[in-house]
Amino acid sequence: ETGVTQTPRHLVMGMTNKKSLKCEQHLGHNAMYWYKQSAKKPLELMFVYNFKEQTENNSVPSRFSPECPNSSHLFLHLHTLQPEDSALYLCASSTRAAGGKDTQYFGPGTRLTVL
Amino acid sequence: AQKITQTQPGMFVQEKEAVTLDCTYDTSDPSYGLFWYKQPSSGEMIFLIYQGSYDQQNATEGRYSLNFQKARKSANLVISASQLGDSAMYFCAMREGYSNSGYALNFGKGTSLLVTP
Repeated sequence: ETGVTQTPRHLVMGMTNKKSLKCEQHLGHNAMYWYKQSAKKPLELMFVYNFKEQTENNSVPSRFSPECPNSSHLFLHLHTLQPEDSALYLCASSTRAAGGKDTQYFGPGTRLTVL
Repeated sequence: AQKITQTQPGMFVQEKEAVTLDCTYDTSDPSYGLFWYKQPSSGEMIFLIYQGSYDQQNATEGRYSLNFQKARKSANLVISASQLGDSAMYFCAMREGYSNSGYALNFGKGTSLLVTP
């Protein structure tokens, strides 16, 4: 595997379900990100992890719970979601190189539908 | 307030022609970076090109070039010799300054480009 991978690619869940999204990066990066992309809205940053430590939580509801066990893996645990949480969830990673352009590379996304 | 503005919801271009996608940004930070991403219908965001605020030259990557006009705060993407495979959503994004919390990107709403034969 190369680049940034995400599983599953598609997920349908009920409001009472608990599920997890997984992201893995094979680029040797130190920072990982979760973004939410809803229809007709710009990408919204959800969480940032830098060297496994959460450095940013962009006022995300507690029904979304991130986990970063190491610099290569990032999870997003979901529970009691609402239909308006249906969206494309994108994971990204970057080097966090100081003074550099620090390009973020994205995975293919998980398309989530909450019924 | 919206930091990245893309005023063209949709654009058409004929194959082999050049097309310019507009992007204006708003920041008071002297240090920032500007990015363009392509998102095909499959969903993956593909990095295209980067321009740093202190870069003297306009960035170029193959058929992509960035028309950076700092005083106007604009960073338009130019795609030369369009191909059918260029049909996708295009997003302009900005990273402001440097911080220990991470280099979060602010994205525009995107422009949908359709390349016709």
